[in-house]
Amino acid sequence: AQSVTQLDSQVPVFEEAPVELRCNYSSSVSVYLFWYVQYPNQGLQLLLKYLSGSTLVKGINGFEAEFNKSQTSFHLRKPSVHISDTAEYFCAVSDYLGNEKLTFGTGTRLTIIP
Amino acid sequence: NAGVTQTPKFQVLKTGQSMTLQCAQDMNHEYMSWYRQDPGMGLRLIHYSVGAGITDQGEVPNGYNVSRSTTEDFPLRLLSAAPSQTSVYFCASTKTGNTEAFFGQGTRLTVV
Repeated sequence: AQSVTQLDSQVPVFEEAPVELRCNYSSSVSVYLFWYVQYPNQGLQLLLKYLSGSTLVKGINGFEAEFNKSQTSFHLRKPSVHISDTAEYFCAVSDYLGNEKLTFGTGTRLTIIP
Repeated sequence: NAGVTQTPKFQVLKTGQSMTLQCAQDMNHEYMSWYRQDPGMGLRLIHYSVGAGITDQGEVPNGYNVSRSTTEDFPLRLLSAAPSQTSVYFCASTKTGNTEAFFGQGTRLTVV
């Protein structure tokens, strides 16, 4: 069984400031890690993913995340946020390709302050 | 380019009523799944399917049924609605060998 912990339920950040959204996971097997974004009243879309290889992965809209196996973390970062980044962000894990059994964290609501 | 289409977008049910949430995808994806989203709980897997004729239970299957008669469609049935099933429901699909799940826009269900 696997689980995902997003400790911060809400993160307020001033516009153009950097942000880090934290994600920790637990699993007894190798995992694939994902960040999804949900804009208001919409479905989820993939922001970025880690499958293997380089531990630093880059996604859409200037976001990046770093896989740290020893700390079982996959934190999401952006050096300078914009109003349009206001959304809810979900970290997710699966233990094999196909994603039919994604396990999600509880989400982090990112609010950008003008 | 429709992607994953869910209907209806909103629904209000009375306790004990039954209904079917529809999900269709036009990408020929083998995998389809249903999640419910509740405040503070993220998304939880209800049922999933790895192909036509094959379904299995997820984390929170009680009170829901699914079937997969075609690759395109994966309806979710509420047998006897309860207030605890008030939630936002998302359908998702994934192609074999890919790692990106495509989500529908969601169905907001209220059971009174």
